[in-house]
Amino acid sequence: AQKVTQAQTEISVVEKEDVTLDCVYETRDTTYYLFWYKQPPSGELVFLIRRNSFDEQNEISGRYSWNFQKSTSSFNFTITASQVVDSAVYFCALSENSRRAAGNKLTFGGGTRVLVKP
Amino acid sequence: EPEVTQTPSHQVTQMGQEVILRCVPISNHLYFYWYRQILGQKVEFLVSFYNNEISEKSEIFDDQFSVERPDGSNFTLKIRSTKLEDSAMYFCASRISIWEQFFGPGTRLTVL
Repeated sequence: AQKVTQAQTEISVVEKEDVTLDCVYETRDTTYYLFWYKQPPSGELVFLIRRNSFDEQNEISGRYSWNFQKSTSSFNFTITASQVVDSAVYFCALSENSRRAAGNKLTFGGGTRVLVKP
Repeated sequence: EPEVTQTPSHQVTQMGQEVILRCVPISNHLYFYWYRQILGQKVEFLVSFYNNEISEKSEIFDDQFSVERPDGSNFTLKIRSTKLEDSAMYFCASRISIWEQFFGPGTRLTVL
């Protein structure tokens, strides 16, 4: 069974500080996909980034970057130079490569609330 | 940009009543999902749907729940006899590829 753990329940920073969110996952599959979603106070779930298990190259996209390490089953996410609008709950999610059509359900972590103060 | 839509945004119902939550997935997507999020908790998978049948369902998705794609656009979640513990935000999602699922804005269900 797949599992995602986000140990940090809440992080508070001052604007312009960097924020790193931790995510540790468990899966028996060798092929899987990892995602980060943002849930602002308005409640919707906004897709941010994705990574598949074959690609450990870490990337930067604007103010977002991620560090995927298969050896430690971690998929950490960093917001550089945080802004007040980044205040939200951030969810890490895992999807296994199911053989069933319309498998690939997402298993979410418990979320990390980020509060960016001006 | 195409998006997943859900109606209503907020539904209030009495315990024991039936509710139907509606979703319009992105038009060329083939795989559909329902998730729920109890207030302050994580998002939980309920059911996945493809080719007009359920592909997978969680333990939460018991006999009180059903899904349907009555026409080419809508995807509905029905709860036959609501309980207090069904109060949650319900998200519909769709995808076309193995990549990310696109989520709707959610329906907040309040059971009194």
